[in-house]
Amino acid sequence: LAKTTQPISMDSYEGQEVNITCSHNNIATNDYITWYQQFPSQGPRFIIQGYKTKVTNEVASLFIPADRKSSTLSLPRVSLSDTAVYYCLLVTGGGNKLTFGTGTQLKVEL
Amino acid sequence: EAQVTQNPRYLITVTGKKLTVTCSQNMNHEYMSWYRQDPGLGLRQIYYSMNVEVTDKGDVPEGYKVSRKEKRNFPLILESPSPNQTSLYFCASSPEGQGAWNYGYTFGSGTRLTVV
Repeated sequence: LAKTTQPISMDSYEGQEVNITCSHNNIATNDYITWYQQFPSQGPRFIIQGYKTKVTNEVASLFIPADRKSSTLSLPRVSLSDTAVYYCLLVTGGGNKLTFGTGTQLKVEL
Repeated sequence: EAQVTQNPRYLITVTGKKLTVTCSQNMNHEYMSWYRQDPGLGLRQIYYSMNVEVTDKGDVPEGYKVSRKEKRNFPLILESPSPNQTSLYFCASSPEGQGAWNYGYTFGSGTRLTVV
């Protein structure tokens, strides 16, 4: 299975934009890039998913370059409540499972 | 409210005493799955089900059983729990295997199991 690599941790301040980059050099043609958020002792929550170029929803943007070997999750104007672990996953089209790595611990301070 | 409900939230049991963790979803999702989460190991898939009466092993199925007799329910059964099954367990569901486009999987709130 193609793996993803992302920073172990990031720190930010309220109101700033946070960009978390994920590397996936061996991404397959039918893989989608998906991001989840997890708070302590809660189940992961779907944030955004994309295949190429840029995807935006009400909470985040996902930037994917043409070669798809990396992706960047962008969180605009973070708040304290955005402190969580963020996971970058590759989901194979028609696949049956999510393969989670260790994620990026984002800490937002005042 | 659309959700995945797991019960119980917390459970302490003794080695060898059979237990069942229930999972129910109210979204008419076809796909359901169980994961366990351990420090340093992330979330690992235990079993999954593509539809009623269709189940298959994930990455760490040893010591677990599942059944899918109804679309909404997907219980996780530990026939003879052991201390190495102490973990945080999550059930997840999705409209289809990969997660419907831009929808993803819905996870339950988790069950923290301790086997002594």
